[in-house]
Amino acid sequence: DAKTTQPPSMDCAEGRAANLPCNHSTISGNEYVYWYRQIHSQGPQYIIHGLKNNETNEMASLIITEDRKSSTLILPHATLRDTAVYYCIVRVAGSNFGNEKLTFGTGTRLTIIP
Amino acid sequence: NAGVTQTPKFQVLKTGQSMTLQCAQDMNHNSMYWYRQDPGMGLRLIYYSASEGTTDKGEVPNGYNVSRLNKREFSLRLESAAPSQTSVYFCASSGLRGTEAFFGQGTRLTVV
Repeated sequence: DAKTTQPPSMDCAEGRAANLPCNHSTISGNEYVYWYRQIHSQGPQYIIHGLKNNETNEMASLIITEDRKSSTLILPHATLRDTAVYYCIVRVAGSNFGNEKLTFGTGTRLTIIP
Repeated sequence: NAGVTQTPKFQVLKTGQSMTLQCAQDMNHNSMYWYRQDPGMGLRLIYYSASEGTTDKGEVPNGYNVSRLNKREFSLRLESAAPSQTSVYFCASSGLRGTEAFFGQGTRLTVV
């Protein structure tokens, strides 16, 4: 199973771009990279995902390196409401064909500074 | 469209009691998951189900049983609750590879 490595914490000034890195050096060719965030003790919220190409949606951008061994989540104009724990995960195959499971690491605690 | 619904939202149990956490999704998803999250920690997978009739163990299955009742519902049972099972439990569901997972709002369980 591909594992991910993220810094435990980061700070970012309000209004600036927040860049959250993730290392997934053992990712295989058909595994997607997903980003979720968790605000306080709420259920995790999906942000974005990608396979090879860079992706952008209304919340964020995802930059995946050409070798796919790392990625960066970009929140272009961080607000105080973006303070949360951000999880980078890869979609892995389970023990049976067609089974899928999501495995979370410890994430990055992002604090937006006023 | 309710998404993923968990019941109950809060529960206090005495050591040795049993209970079942319920989860239902209305998005016609094949895969469903149960996670636990201890204070200050990340989510840990307890069990998952890729489709109706199939279940598999995750990272921390001991002390739990699951049942995929039908495509919509995936329940988690604690047969004999222990204080170490005090945690927040999240249910999630997802569709095919490449689609996102949706989470419920959690069940806060305290075992005294």
